Amino acid sequence: GNSVTQMEGPVTLSEEAFLTINCTYTATGYPSLFWYVQYPGEGLQLLLKATKADDKGSNKGFEATYRKETTSFHLEKGSVQVSDSAVYFCALSAPASNQGGSEKLVFGKGTKLTVNP
Amino acid sequence: GAVVSQHPSRVICKSGTSVKIECRSLDFQATTMFWYRQFPKQSLMLMATSNEGSKATYEQGVEKDKFLINHASLTLSTLTVTSAHPEDSSFYICSAPEAYKTGYDTDTQYFGPGTRLTVL
Repeated sequence: GNSVTQMEGPVTLSEEAFLTINCTYTATGYPSLFWYVQYPGEGLQLLLKATKADDKGSNKGFEATYRKETTSFHLEKGSVQVSDSAVYFCALSAPASNQGGSEKLVFGKGTKLTVNP
Repeated sequence: GAVVSQHPSRVICKSGTSVKIECRSLDFQATTMFWYRQFPKQSLMLMATSNEGSKATYEQGVEKDKFLINHASLTLSTLTVTSAHPEDSSFYICSAPEAYKTGYDTDTQYFGPGTRLTVL
């Protein structure tokens, strides 16, 4: 079946440090891949996505490249800020069980990032 | 971007009572909405897919008689936890894709802020 494995946290960094959060997946077919972010007290927000192999998603200084050969979608940022403190979820899309329906998301367990000034 | 709201944001109830949670897409129509459950320090687990005008589709292991879903309109889906027990205490989150696409195209999903349910 479809699954997502991401590195367990928590991750604590100093401001301006380099960030990598690893994510690997198992899927049938060709899923789309996502990173969602959940800031304290808020709902999940789409951070970036990639829909096919070798695509790079980017937003707010974050990047992730869809690597089919290693089934990975690692999240990176060159210089983190205190405001990046949040929980990050890697996810993949899979066809919904109801035929013809919208796709559903399969999430990793989430990685909590804390950035200290 | 598109906005999804949930109401209430938190609810405390006694064991054996029923609780209704609303999920609304505020500035777009959603023929499909998804309901998730999130345990502390764990991931979101999809419970069911809510379909406007038809029955919800439940994931394996989710009791459809306990978690009643009604997709009353293109902007509203409700989840009712019937005869709630302490083990039902959790964080419930809904999401909605902004636009329905056929095939394997992926919709961007917008998430509600979640509802914290505590059953005493």
